[in-house]
Parts: sequence; structure tokens; C-alpha cells
Amino acid sequence: QKEVEQNSGPLSVPEGAIASLNCTYSDRVSQSFFWYRQYSGKSPELIMSIYSNGDKEDGRFTAQLNKASQYVSLLIRDSQPSDSATYLCAVRNTNAGKSTFGDGTTLTVKP
Amino acid sequence: DVKVTQSSRYLVKRTGEKVFLECVQDMDHENMFWYRQDPGLGLRLIYFSYDVKMKEKGDIPEGYSVSREKKERFSLILESASTNQTSMYLCASSGMYGGQGNTNYGYTFGSGTRLTVV
Repeated sequence: QKEVEQNSGPLSVPEGAIASLNCTYSDRVSQSFFWYRQYSGKSPELIMSIYSNGDKEDGRFTAQLNKASQYVSLLIRDSQPSDSATYLCAVRNTNAGKSTFGDGTTLTVKP
Repeated sequence: DVKVTQSSRYLVKRTGEKVFLECVQDMDHENMFWYRQDPGLGLRLIYFSYDVKMKEKGDIPEGYSVSREKKERFSLILESASTNQTSMYLCASSGMYGGQGNTNYGYTFGSGTRLTVV
């Protein structure tokens, strides 16, 4: 089992729809959770971090964390073609000091 | 506005050469990382450092070494380049964990170095 697993893509949604990206992790002591966006040919860019159970909203993005289920998700509301990218889920154990990344889910938003 | 700078965007080296990849950050971050990214394999951690002169092996350290003589600079060294080290190399930095309100704990990545070993 991979330490961090993301729903296999690619994911395609129409413009204006909600895109839902999911991630599960195996290390129960993980404390910090991140979503990165990576455009083709570019390096990853941090878009959301979440540390406690529940929802965290930032503009059109909402991160959701459920530590009991070892599950973290990213919702993108009113999806735009500019949201088309690969989204990487990352989990970090403070004691280990490093993040473990999922393989990413590629999202395409069609006009 | 560039915060993590990698010295080269594209690099072509010959098999057996010693290769240096440089990374400099200007955010006073304690933690620095080297990853490689390959299609179908995702991001794999090579080495990381949480302080000057400190280093920790990641998941795939074989064939690599690192140096961190100053807080802002973290170098990746390919001792004897091989064709299977052809990849995109990404440097990242982050601050220390400071509680759940920490805004400095996620990674800031450099723009990457695409290394081709021929």
C-alpha cells in the first residue's frame, strides 16, 4: 500500500462545476496535509494546507480533513480552464520532517 | 519575487561526470529538500536537510550526495552521472512546524532542473 494515494485520473469537469479530488494516507501520526498544483512543465505550487479536522476554505478552494478516516480532499468550486493541472496531495509527519507525496490527479476543466 | 532558485533550468552531462545542482533560498527556511520527478513515479525524495551541515537520506539516496554549508544553500551532487539519473530535479524549502496556524510549513519549490545524462 502506498503511503499516500490519490484517486486515479484523469478527472474532467465542465467549466463552472465542482471538482473533487481525494487522497488517503496510511500514517496515522501524520499531522500536516497539503495540496499542491502543478501545471504542465512547471514545478509544484502550494495552494492549501490543513492541520485539523474539518473544512478550510480559501477562495474557490476548500480542503477537508478527516483524521479518523485518514482522508483529505480538495474541492474546487466554479472550476475554470485555468484550474487544469495536476494536483498533488502531500502528508507530513512533523517528527519525520519530510512530506510524502501522492502520485497526483490530473484535472481538466473543459470550457 | 523568486524565493527558491535553482542554478540551471536545463543541463546535459556525460556519463561518469560529476554533476553539481545548486539551490538557494532567500526565505531563511531551516528545511531544504531535493526531489526527483519522473513520469509514472511521482516525486521521490533524495535527501533533505533540517539545519546547516545536517543531512538525512530520503527514499532514493543511492548515487547522490548533498552539501549544506550555509543555511540558504543546498547542493545536490551526482558523484558519477548515469543515464538512469536523467530526470527533473526539484529543490524545495520550508520553515519549521510552528503549530496549526503555521503558514510557513508547506514547501516552496524551485523551478526545477531538467538533467539529461548522455
